[in-house]
Amino acid sequence: EDQVTQSPEALRLQEGESSSLNCSYTVSGLRGLFWYRQDPGKGPEFLFTLYSAGEEKEKERLKATLTKKESFLHITAPKPEDSATYLCAVASWGKLQFGAGTQVVVTP
Amino acid sequence: GAVVSQHPSRVICKSGTSVKIECRSLDFQATTMFWYRQFPKQSLMLMATSNEGSKATYEQGVEKDKFLINHASLTLSTLTVTSAHPEDSSFYICSAPQGPTEAFFGQGTRLTVV
Repeated sequence: EDQVTQSPEALRLQEGESSSLNCSYTVSGLRGLFWYRQDPGKGPEFLFTLYSAGEEKEKERLKATLTKKESFLHITAPKPEDSATYLCAVASWGKLQFGAGTQVVVTP
Repeated sequence: GAVVSQHPSRVICKSGTSVKIECRSLDFQATTMFWYRQFPKQSLMLMATSNEGSKATYEQGVEKDKFLINHASLTLSTLTVTSAHPEDSSFYICSAPQGPTEAFFGQGTRLTVV
């Protein structure tokens, strides 16, 4: 059975304190791993898609990496506006399966 | 980037009534759209795949007669929650893929059934 597991469930950071979020997956026929940001009461906002092990993508203070079993989202020197829930999802046979998300709170 | 517009953002309805949620792709054509449901502090769960010009495909456990999906054009899909009950209260989100690499989401609809 396909599974997507994110850890930790919640993360509290001081402004400027870098950290990483984990997304581990077991899925047959992986067609991409997606990272989204979701603010309370809103739909997910697309961040990255990764396709193959070793691939990396960056956007401002965020960097996503992918291995054969997991993906990491690194947040470098976070700011309060980076506070959100970060979701990862795997695409398999045309559908997205989501993890439960990591809620990140960055305090000034 | 591509925009997917979902309406309404919030709706409160009485138990037993029906509610329609619209999902529009504003600057691209979407032959496929996905409908998700998200309960508090839980992940998005795929409910159904909406296909333009043909019947929707529902995930296991999702009642077809309760969650009616219509995808009448390349830019519009609708989800109608029929005979809504309090347990249907949730956050409903639509998504439209654009090419093989990206999927864009609507703003979501908070449904509260009283």
